[in-house]
Amino acid sequence: EVQLVESGGGLVQPGGSLRLSCAASGFTSSGYWMHWVRQVPGKGLVWVSRINSDGSTILYADSVKGRFTISRDNAKNTLYLQMNSLRAEDTAVYYCARRALAGGYYDYWGQGTLVTVS
Amino acid sequence: EIVLTQSPGTLSLSPGERATLSCRASQSISRNCLAWYQQKPGQAPRLLIYDASSRATGIPDRFSGSGSGTDFTLTISRLEPEDFAVYYCQQYAGTPWTFGQGTKVEIK
Repeated sequence: EVQLVESGGGLVQPGGSLRLSCAASGFTSSGYWMHWVRQVPGKGLVWVSRINSDGSTILYADSVKGRFTISRDNAKNTLYLQMNSLRAEDTAVYYCARRALAGGYYDYWGQGTLVTVS
Repeated sequence: EIVLTQSPGTLSLSPGERATLSCRASQSISRNCLAWYQQKPGQAPRLLIYDASSRATGIPDRFSGSGSGTDFTLTISRLEPEDFAVYYCQQYAGTPWTFGQGTKVEIK
């Protein structure tokens, strides 16, 4: 069974840092591109970042560029999001999502981890 | 950036009724690279439809997607109690990947 489990969320002060993790199981994660998507509670979904299967190609939303860093450790089947210089507007539930092999949609999502910047 | 606009914002229907949700794009979406997700409170989104009209694994056939270019539709033929949720469309034709603002399907 495919599972994605995020961790690392919590309360942090503005300007602080946090590192999120997403542990993958039930599939060979090294074969998949992975994304982070966030959602302010009660609001819509917003794409944050993407990393390809070997980590050589990375994209960020303009709102986080220069502050967030996506990475992965395929040996550990784990995806990361290092978040620096956090702002109140970064407060959200952060989901990791697996890009389907056949296209850019997300076929599996983690349960999310809440980041509160206050 | 492709902006997706979903309508209506809220749909109030009774179980057994048909639901029609719209997603309009600010520019044409190539290769019908559009997906639909369902999200219930406290849960992650779940993939329903990809490539505008293909049902994801395990999704009941009361869910169907259609459309092309800039206009897409998600139809739920007969609402079941578990279908009351928020639905999002997403385009993956170009970066950044974008989502619509969501349509809430609520019990009338």
